[in-house]
Amino acid sequence: DVKVTQSSRYLVKRTGEKVFLECVQDMDHENMFWYRQDPGLGLRLIYFSYDVKMKEKGDIPEGYSVSREKKERFSLILESASTNQTSMYLCASSTGQGKRGSEKLFFGSGTQLSVL
Amino acid sequence: SQQGEEDPQALSIQEGENATMNCSYKTSINNLQWYRQNSGRGLVHLILIRSNEREKHSGRLRVTLDTSKKSSSLLITASRAADTASYFCLKAAGNKLTFGGGTRVLVKP
Repeated sequence: DVKVTQSSRYLVKRTGEKVFLECVQDMDHENMFWYRQDPGLGLRLIYFSYDVKMKEKGDIPEGYSVSREKKERFSLILESASTNQTSMYLCASSTGQGKRGSEKLFFGSGTQLSVL
Repeated sequence: SQQGEEDPQALSIQEGENATMNCSYKTSINNLQWYRQNSGRGLVHLILIRSNEREKHSGRLRVTLDTSKKSSSLLITASRAADTASYFCLKAAGNKLTFGGGTRVLVKP
């Protein structure tokens, strides 16, 4: 089975801190995604990557950056955390061998980030 | 925007009953997927239906797609307490993937 592992289940940070959220997948998937999930707003795409060192903005990239130096690892960076970035962050991956949207996404368990 | 609107937002049923939830969209899609999310966890893929398909089954799950009405429904038959979760649709339109707001399902034993 595909495993997508997010480094932290819960994280508490202070306003202004630089925050790193790590995601690792073990199935050699090409595509990786970062979503945030907020009550009443569903899942919103922050960034995605179709290849190593490649990244594309999603719907809400402001205040975030990403890094994909290795195929299996996709990091989400909050350069200066703010209280409105308190949220559940979900990482996902897919094979990248099908047409976009035709593949199923494999999700990690999520990181609940609280910014105080 | 291409939003997957889902209804109802929440659903409470007794074990053994069927649960139906719907996902609507505004423009044409290539396919639509359904996912389940147990409380505070990641999403798990349930089923994918393509735009040229009308119905798909997987175990106790039945998904229909009505492109004329721009909507899809997910039916869970003979529900169990373990089906308690949130259910999301994910629509693919061109290169755009959009999740719906989800339906929270509570199955009471």
